[in-house]
Amino acid sequence: AQSVTQLGSHVSVSEGALVLLRCNYSSSVPPYLFWYVQYPNQGLQLLLKYTSAATLVKGINGFEAEFKKSETSFHLTKPSAHMSDAAEYFCAVSDPSGNQFYFGTGTSLTVIP
Amino acid sequence: EAGVTQFPSHSVIEKGQTVTLRCDPISGHDNLYWYRRVMGKEIKFLLHFVKESKQDESGMPNNRFLAERTGGTYSTLKVQPAELEDSGVYFCASSRDGYYGYTFGSGTRLTVV
Repeated sequence: AQSVTQLGSHVSVSEGALVLLRCNYSSSVPPYLFWYVQYPNQGLQLLLKYTSAATLVKGINGFEAEFKKSETSFHLTKPSAHMSDAAEYFCAVSDPSGNQFYFGTGTSLTVIP
Repeated sequence: EAGVTQFPSHSVIEKGQTVTLRCDPISGHDNLYWYRRVMGKEIKFLLHFVKESKQDESGMPNNRFLAERTGGTYSTLKVQPAELEDSGVYFCASSRDGYYGYTFGSGTRLTVV
């Protein structure tokens, strides 16, 4: 069975500081891993995905995530936070068919000016 | 291309009433999914259509929920009768191939009072 744990339901960072959002997964098979972002009053937008190619995945808006099998982690980072990064972020793992996603509970990111 | 459209964006109904949510997927996407997020919890899978057929409805909470996809195009999710615990945000998503991630709609926020 697949599952995802996001540590920290709320994270605050100063503008220009490093963003680190944590995600650990559980999967009985090699996983497909995703990060989605939800801006206020908008839908979920795909940030990046890992599908067993390079372990360091680059996404949109300067975000990247590193797949670490030994740690069962897929943490999301951005070197320098921008005010526009304030949103809720969801980590997800898909089942082997790719047709059912298991989401974490989400992390709300606040960027302090 | 147009995105996934959901209607209405918000709905407030009384317990015992019926509500129908609608989702228009991206044209050409055979796969259509419904997810739900109850406040503060993870986004959970409800069901998956391939064209007009229900491929997987393992996440449907009970028989008060009925999903249809007419002619393989738009989909509706009916809740009848609604209960308080049905409150949450209902997301629809579509994809050509789940491995590459879904495109989500902006969701319908359902409040049952």
